[in-house]
Amino acid sequence: DTGVSQDPRHKITKRGQNVTFRCDPISEHNRLYWYRQTLGQGPEFLTYFQNEAQLEKSRLLSDRFSAERPKGSFSTLEIQRTEQGDSAMYLCASSLSRGAFSYGYTFGSGTRLTVV
Amino acid sequence: LAKTTQPISMDSYEGQEVNITCSHNNIATNDYITWYQQFPSQGPRFIIQGYKTKVTNEVASLFIPADRKSSTLSLPRVSLSDTAVYYCLVGANDMRFGAGTRLTVKP
Repeated sequence: DTGVSQDPRHKITKRGQNVTFRCDPISEHNRLYWYRQTLGQGPEFLTYFQNEAQLEKSRLLSDRFSAERPKGSFSTLEIQRTEQGDSAMYLCASSLSRGAFSYGYTFGSGTRLTVV
Repeated sequence: LAKTTQPISMDSYEGQEVNITCSHNNIATNDYITWYQQFPSQGPRFIIQGYKTKVTNEVASLFIPADRKSSTLSLPRVSLSDTAVYYCLVGANDMRFGAGTRLTVKP
C-alpha cells in the first residue's frame, strides 16, 4: 500500500466551473476525512466518512460542496460553481478507527485548487 | 469535544531540545492525544500518540501528566529540517486542527 493518494495534484479552473477531486485511502482504513487549508492556517475540517456513511459535515461545507464515498472505498469531493474563495489546498486523510479510538491519520499530498 | 491551545510560534537552535505544550482542559476519559507535523505544501504527518505518562518513538517523546489536561511534545536535538508546524489533536472524534505551533529552528 502506497498510502493515501489524491488526484489531481493541481487544478486550475475558471470561476463558475465544477471540479471534482478524488482520494484513495489506505485500504485497511475505515475512516476518510476531507480538509481544506489556506496559506498560514491549519487544516479546516470539511467532512468525514466511516466506511460509506458520511457522519459529519462542517458548516464550511456549503451546498456547493458534496462528498461521496461509494462502497466505503475511494472518495470524491465535488465543488460546483467554483468561486475564487475556494482556492486552497484540499487534503484527504484516512485512519483506522475502533470504537472510541482512532489511530493517527495518514494524509495525502493534497490537491491544490486555483480558481481564476 | 476537547479544545486545544498551543503557542503560536517557537524558535530554537540546532541541537537543542524543544518542548511544545498543548492544553486540553476538557479531555474525555477515552481520548487519546495525537501530534502531527506539517511542512509547507504537504499534508500533516503523524508523529506520536499517547494516552498517559510517557510515550517515546524514534522521532519524539510525548509527556502526559496524571490529570491529562495538557501534553508536551519533546523533540530531542532539533535540526533545521524540524522547522515545521506542529499540531495536537485530542480524541477520535475531534477532527478539527487548530492553528498549530510554528517551530523555527535556526543554525
